[in-house]
Amino acid sequence: GNSVTQMEGPVTLSEEAFLTINCTYTATGYPSLFWYVQYPGEGLQLLLKATKADDKGSNKGFEATYRKETTSFHLEKGSVQVSDSAVYFCALSDYNQGGKLIFGQGTELSVKP
Amino acid sequence: GAVVSQHPSRVICKSGTSVKIECRSLDFQATTMFWYRQFPKQSLMLMATSNEGSKATYEQGVEKDKFLINHASLTLSTLTVTSAHPEDSSFYICSAKHRAGTYEQYFGPGTRLTVT
Repeated sequence: GNSVTQMEGPVTLSEEAFLTINCTYTATGYPSLFWYVQYPGEGLQLLLKATKADDKGSNKGFEATYRKETTSFHLEKGSVQVSDSAVYFCALSDYNQGGKLIFGQGTELSVKP
Repeated sequence: GAVVSQHPSRVICKSGTSVKIECRSLDFQATTMFWYRQFPKQSLMLMATSNEGSKATYEQGVEKDKFLINHASLTLSTLTVTSAHPEDSSFYICSAKHRAGTYEQYFGPGTRLTVT
């Protein structure tokens, strides 16, 4: 079945550091890939998405490229801020499975001033 | 656009009582809504898929008689936790798919349920 694996957290960085959160997936079809962010006590917000191989999703300085050859969708940001502290979820959606979202386990990011 | 609300945001109830959580799409019609459960510091677990006008489809291991889902209109789905127990305490999150859209889900802010 389909699955998503993320690097474990928590990840602690200093402000302006470079961020990478690894995400790999297993899918039988051609899924769409997403990164969601969850701030403390809140629901999920879509951060970025990519719907086909080699697509790059980007938003608020975050980027991720859909790599079919390595089945990966790593999240990167060149310079993190304290306000980026949150939990980040990688997810996939497979049209053949009714569009259900399958989430990775989440990676907590803490950015220190 | 594409705003989803949940009500209440927090609820505390006594063991044995039932609690209803509402999920509304405020500015779009949603033929499909999803209900998730999230334990502290863990990922979201899909509980069920709710389609307007039909019975919900529950994921394996989710008790449909305990977690009653109703999707009576294109903008409202409800989750009722019946005879709640402390182990039902959790963060419940709904999402909605736009009627005219494809894969993208819009998430509500979540409801924190505490059963005492």
